[in-house]
Amino acid sequence: DTGVSQNPRHKITKRGQNVTFRCDPISEHNRLYWYRQTLGQGPEFLTYFQNEAQLEKSRLLSDRFSAERPKGSFSTLEIQRTEQGDSAMYLCASSLVGTSPYGTDTQYFGPGTRLTVL
Amino acid sequence: AQSVTQLDSHVSVSEGTPVLLRCNYSSSYSPSLFWYVQHPNKGLQLLLKYTSAATLVKGINGFEAEFKKSETSFHLTKPSAHMSDAAEYFCVVIHGSGNTGKLIFGQGTTLQVKP
Repeated sequence: DTGVSQNPRHKITKRGQNVTFRCDPISEHNRLYWYRQTLGQGPEFLTYFQNEAQLEKSRLLSDRFSAERPKGSFSTLEIQRTEQGDSAMYLCASSLVGTSPYGTDTQYFGPGTRLTVL
Repeated sequence: AQSVTQLDSHVSVSEGTPVLLRCNYSSSYSPSLFWYVQHPNKGLQLLLKYTSAATLVKGINGFEAEFKKSETSFHLTKPSAHMSDAAEYFCVVIHGSGNTGKLIFGQGTTLQVKP
């Protein structure tokens, strides 16, 4: 299967610890997105990359959060000094962007990483 | 700014009866709209998308949605519900114009299908 994969699927950590999540997009996709979904809500945009460039960051992404996509392939999302409010599902999506304005930016989602901060 | 409002947080239907999940949108531009489905412990799956072509959009698993500009609506329908349709459904709009890609999700509608 060549879909979007995320690791780990579940992470339990204690408040104040650092955590890192990994996302492997569909191989030919040039865009990669991170979203956060809390219980009973729709996903909220965090940040996205086109190739290795981080093009936008949401105000939700405090300075404790950092994301990278060093070679334009996989991406990591790190949360430093975790807080209980960081508990959520972290979703990654990828897409292939062409030159057409409405062409091919259909985002394909991974299964998510569920973070629980105790 | 773009936004979507899903009018029902929970919809319950009997197997074999029609499904209607309602979504209204707000957009300063001609919107790109999507419906995604999320089954428990699985990733979000695209059901269908509207990108200013035909106003009636057909998706996977027998779902379809009609874009109505006059009503700013993009309701999702299916003629006959199946037990496997029970899931969370999200109406989604792309933020901004052109190819920015950032998705704005509605709050979600939980579809329950009774035998």
